[in-house]
Amino acid sequence: AQSVTQLDSQVPVFEEAPVELRCNYSSSVSVYLFWYVQYPNQGLQLLLKYLSGSTLVESINGFEAEFNKSQTSFHLRKPSVHISDTAEYFCAVSDGSMDSGYSTLTFGKGTMLLVSP
Amino acid sequence: DAGVTQSPTHLIKTRGQQVTLRCSPKSGHDTVSWYQQALGQGPQFIFQYYEEEERQRGNFPDRFSGHQFPNYSSELNVNALLLGDSALYLCASSPYSYNEQFFGPGTRLTVL
Repeated sequence: AQSVTQLDSQVPVFEEAPVELRCNYSSSVSVYLFWYVQYPNQGLQLLLKYLSGSTLVESINGFEAEFNKSQTSFHLRKPSVHISDTAEYFCAVSDGSMDSGYSTLTFGKGTMLLVSP
Repeated sequence: DAGVTQSPTHLIKTRGQQVTLRCSPKSGHDTVSWYQQALGQGPQFIFQYYEEEERQRGNFPDRFSGHQFPNYSSELNVNALLLGDSALYLCASSPYSYNEQFFGPGTRLTVL
């Protein structure tokens, strides 16, 4: 069984400051890793993903995450946050393989990023 | 191109009732998964449908059942509703054997 731990339930930060949202996972098999963002009263939007290749992945809006296999982590970072980044962020791991075709997601409990002026 | 759509947006039911939620996947997607997101929690996997069959199931009781139609749309049915079933129900779709899932806006179910 797989699990995801997001240690911080809430992260307050000032605008233009850097931020790191932590994510650790446990799994006995190879994994794919995802960060999703959820704005109030909306569904989930994919922010970025790690499937293979470079361990550093980037999103179009300035977020990046690094897959660290030895530490079983996939922390999300942004060097300078905006007010509009205020949202809930979920880390997720996939327990499917390309061979099986049945990809399901196991989510962490989420981290609320609160950006203030 | 419409993304994943879900209906209704909100729903209020009383304990013991039954409810049906609906989902239309993104165009070209044939696999549909359902997740339950309780308040303050991350989404939890309920089950997944492909080729009109339930392929995988999470740790949910038999009161939760589903269906997939030939056009790939899907329904989630919950019988004998409990207060604890109050949650946001999310539908996600993907092409078969593709690891990225695309989520709909969800249906907010309140059980009184």
